[in-house]
Amino acid sequence: KAGVTQTPRYLIKTRGQQVTLSCSPISGHRSVSWYQQTPGQGLQFLFEYFSETQRNKGNFPGRFSGRQFSNSRSEMNVSTLELGDSALYLCASSPDGREYEQYFGPGTRLTVT
Amino acid sequence: DAKTTQPTSMDCAEGRAANLPCNHSTISGNEYVYWYRQIHSQGPQYIIHGLKNNETNEMASLIITEDRKSSTLILPHATLRDTAVYYCIVRFPQGGSEKLVFGKGTKLTVNP
Repeated sequence: KAGVTQTPRYLIKTRGQQVTLSCSPISGHRSVSWYQQTPGQGLQFLFEYFSETQRNKGNFPGRFSGRQFSNSRSEMNVSTLELGDSALYLCASSPDGREYEQYFGPGTRLTVT
Repeated sequence: DAKTTQPTSMDCAEGRAANLPCNHSTISGNEYVYWYRQIHSQGPQYIIHGLKNNETNEMASLIITEDRKSSTLILPHATLRDTAVYYCIVRFPQGGSEKLVFGKGTKLTVNP
């Protein structure tokens, strides 16, 4: 089976812009979670989607949003980018009923200047 | 959630077994032990999980004590590519309103 894929792998944006990141889960996985990783804060949970519904959400401002499509592919969007949004954004998928058995993608490295 | 305690860092010689301990003395009856690792600049990688029986897969073995208050992840023949931060997490297997939380983990360095 192909692993979790994320596009793009690297992105440079300027403050105030918005960005959309994409994630394709492992075939058959309906749960997709997003995480932000920074050197200072470590790995932080953003949100989880299951069957096109947001099932769980972390403590991030409303500028961070996401969605999931009927084929389980997911996107996350960050509006009005701030310098502090520079991070590695990771997507993970998991089998039904085994949400903590998560398979991570390689991540998207976002740099905000 | 049960809290876990892991050593901050460990060293291992290439080709030898790496034994990474984790204490989880407050684990409840239905919580599983999960292990992940993160190689520098990559996403975390799921390794193995278990409830009370010892588990083995192509990557590692997981030994859980009979009282379930501690466990050990064993990499039988460590290679340089096993250098990573290893995370021990104790959770119920289902999600929903919960989220996966990674602590500080153990930085394993495999030396040539």
